[in-house]
Amino acid sequence: KAGVTQTPRYLIKTRGQQVTLSCSPISGHRSVSWYQQTPGQGLQFLFEYFSETQRNKGNFPGRFSGRQFSNSRSEMNVSTLELGDSALYLCASSDPGQLNYGYTFGSGTRLTVV
Amino acid sequence: DAKTTQPTSMDCAEGRAANLPCNHSTISGNEYVYWYRQIHSQGPQYIIHGLKNNETNEMASLIITEDRKSSTLILPHATLRDTAVYYCIVRGPSAGGTSYGKLTFGQGTILTVHP
Repeated sequence: KAGVTQTPRYLIKTRGQQVTLSCSPISGHRSVSWYQQTPGQGLQFLFEYFSETQRNKGNFPGRFSGRQFSNSRSEMNVSTLELGDSALYLCASSDPGQLNYGYTFGSGTRLTVV
Repeated sequence: DAKTTQPTSMDCAEGRAANLPCNHSTISGNEYVYWYRQIHSQGPQYIIHGLKNNETNEMASLIITEDRKSSTLILPHATLRDTAVYYCIVRGPSAGGTSYGKLTFGQGTILTVHP
């Protein structure tokens, strides 16, 4: 099975711009979660999508948004970028049909805001 | 989800067993203990999980105390490639609402395996 694929791997943006990150889950996995990782805050949950619906959301401002497509691929968007948005963005896919399922993470997108 | 406490860092000699402790004294009866690890600049990797019985897979063993208030992850023969941050996470079964898709990561234990 192919793993979770995140693109792009690295990204440099300027303050005020917006960015879109992509995540392709493992085939058959319908749940996709997004996380932000920074040295100061560690790994923090952004949101989760299942069957094109956002089911859960972390404590992030409205500038952070996402969506999921019918093939389970997901995108997250950050508008009006701030320096503090520089982070490793990770997505994880899972199969909620499995009892006590684990999550498979992608390698992440390293976003640098300058 | 219950809070966990892990040592900040640990060392281990290559080839020896690495025993990583985790305290989760407020764990609820239906909450599982999960272990993930993160090698530098990669995404976290699932290792193992358990409820009350000891578990073993090809990567590690998980020992959960009888009162379930603590657990130990054991890497039986640590290698240099096991150097990573190890996260102990307590989570309920796949439930709804604020549990969907969410793993609550603490600071984890930095395990350094040296030659």
